[in-house]
Order: sequence, then structure tokens, then C-alpha cells
Amino acid sequence: AQKVTQAQTEISVVEKEDVTLDCVYETRDTTYYLFWYKQPPSGELVFLIRRNSFDEQNEISGRYSWNFQKSTSSFNFTITASQVVDSAVYFCALSGSYNTDKLIFGTGTRLQVFP
Amino acid sequence: DGGITQSPKYLFRKEGQNVTLSCEQNLNHDAMYWYRQDPGQGLRLIYYSQIVNDFQKGDIAEGYSVSREKKESFPLTVTSAQKNPTAFYLCASSRRESLNQPQHFGDGTRLSIL
Repeated sequence: AQKVTQAQTEISVVEKEDVTLDCVYETRDTTYYLFWYKQPPSGELVFLIRRNSFDEQNEISGRYSWNFQKSTSSFNFTITASQVVDSAVYFCALSGSYNTDKLIFGTGTRLQVFP
Repeated sequence: DGGITQSPKYLFRKEGQNVTLSCEQNLNHDAMYWYRQDPGQGLRLIYYSQIVNDFQKGDIAEGYSVSREKKESFPLTVTSAQKNPTAFYLCASSRRESLNQPQHFGDGTRLSIL
């Protein structure tokens, strides 16, 4: 079975703090993809990143960075120097090699950044 | 601008009534999806369609129905058999030229019971 766990239900930080959102996944597939999405108060999910299971290089995009570690089945997301506009619910998701269209979502982490 | 349009933004259903949520995309994506989101939970897949005139049940299809007569459109009907329809419904689409493509989402429809 495939599963995504986001143990942090809600995180509050003050602007300019760094914050890490945790994501732990379970899958028996050898090939799989991991995703992060942002859901601002407006409701739509915004795609942030896709990473395949063969690429363990960390990725940085501006203030965002992702740490993929197969050894611990984790795909954590760090926001550096957080801003109020980062306030949203963030979802980690997984898709496997058998049914590649199906995304398995975690329950999300609500991030609140206070000025 | 290319994107996914969901309508209406808010919808109210009376007991015993069927309601239909609209989802239209102009991204030329082959695959389309419907998800349900409840407070404090992740998204759960209701139905998905990989190609016109074909669709598959997701994890929580009971009480819902869909059609895919056109590539651009994937309406979802919430039937009276769905006893707890109050939720936020999100439609998504994705390319299928290669596997595991990111899904792109609409703004959602919030459905409530009157």
C-alpha cells in the first residue's frame, strides 16, 4: 500500500524564520514520484515540485528547497526567510509506477506566517 | 490564459437532489480528475478519466457519477445517494505524454447541504 504522512498539522512562525515541513512516504514501488503542492486561502492547489525516485539531489528554487532521502523515505520542504504570503496549506503527494495517474496525498500542513 | 475553470464556486444542495459541478480545461490535457477535500484531510480521488469517453472510479466513487464526452469537460454529479456531500471539490487535469505528470488544479467548488 502507498501512504503519505505529514505529521505536522499546523506550524506557526514569525516572518523571516526558516521553516521545514516534513513528509514521510511508504511505497513498494521502485519507481515513484513525489510532489509538493501549495493551497493558499483561495483554494486552488499550486504545483511546486516533482521529484522521481532515482534523483536524490536536493533542489533549491529561490527561498524554497527540498531534501529527498530514500534511506528515511522522506521528502522534506524548507522555506527560508518565510514571508506572510507563504501562509497556506502544503500537501505532499506520491504517485507510483503501477497506476501513474493516481496521486496519494498527505493530510497537509497548515503554515501560518505572522508579521 | 490556459487553465481549469470550475463552476459554481459555491453550491447548495437540498435533500434528495442531484447537483452537477462543472469542470472545463483549455490546457489540452488528456487526463482529468475529481477530488474531494474535507477539513483536516488530504484530497481523496473520486473519479478520473485518462481519455474521452472513458473514466475510472477512484477511492470514494460511491454516490457520484461523471461523464467525459469532450476532452475539455469532466462534469461531476453528486447524487442523492451521497449522504454526506458537504465538502470542497477540486478538479484537476494533466498531460499524459509521459508518466507521473503533475496535476493542475481549478479553484474548487464548495458544496453545502441546505
